[in-house]
Amino acid sequence: DIVMTQTPLSLSVTPGQPASISCKSSQSLLHSDGKTYLYWYLQKPGQPPQLLIYEVSNRFSGVPDRFSGSGSGTDFTLKISRVEAEDVGVYYCMQSIQLPPFTFGPGTKVDIK
Amino acid sequence: QLQLQESGPGLVKPSETLSLTCTVSGGSISSSSYYWGWIRQPPGKGLEWIGSIYYSGSTYYNPSLKSRVTISVDTSKNQFSLKLSSVTAADTAVYYCARLARTLPFDYWGQGTLVTVSS
Repeated sequence: DIVMTQTPLSLSVTPGQPASISCKSSQSLLHSDGKTYLYWYLQKPGQPPQLLIYEVSNRFSGVPDRFSGSGSGTDFTLKISRVEAEDVGVYYCMQSIQLPPFTFGPGTKVDIK
Repeated sequence: QLQLQESGPGLVKPSETLSLTCTVSGGSISSSSYYWGWIRQPPGKGLEWIGSIYYSGSTYYNPSLKSRVTISVDTSKNQFSLKLSSVTAADTAVYYCARLARTLPFDYWGQGTLVTVSS
């Protein structure tokens, strides 16, 4: 199985300040079709996860443009340009290049200072 | 608007079989574009994919759970179901159902249902 790791595991951010989360995979997520199958989800308190970013850098429908994803191969980053109160929750990265199984990172908990 | 809703017992005894159903509304489970899946989350912990099914009945499972998992689909009811056998306390979790496409896995989720394994 591909192992996903995330750093940091927790992050406290002042509103309006940027935040960055790193995700690393144990194998390259670049497929022979040219796509990289790395995703980001946000689980707000008491809610199911919601898809934020697909294929490294594409924002899902309705996701604010303060969220951006980047990276390649095995190293990826989610950035929030200016954190808002509604961004609190746990952020997960996930891979889907090698199935089964889908594997998620351990999650990064983001809260507001 | 697509909606998914999990249903089933909230308490299961050890060694018994956990059974849950996901009802899809606002869209057809028979769409050729999507698979449907189950993901679980133990209290205070991360996400674990359990398995997925296509409307034709084709399935794929997490190897770590494969020996105990069965996922089935009922297109006439627009539902798919999960059975997990020989449960233990380690299977206590919130169970989510979700939709997935090849490039947009888990784009729609149910609200989740907590299943506790206890005697």
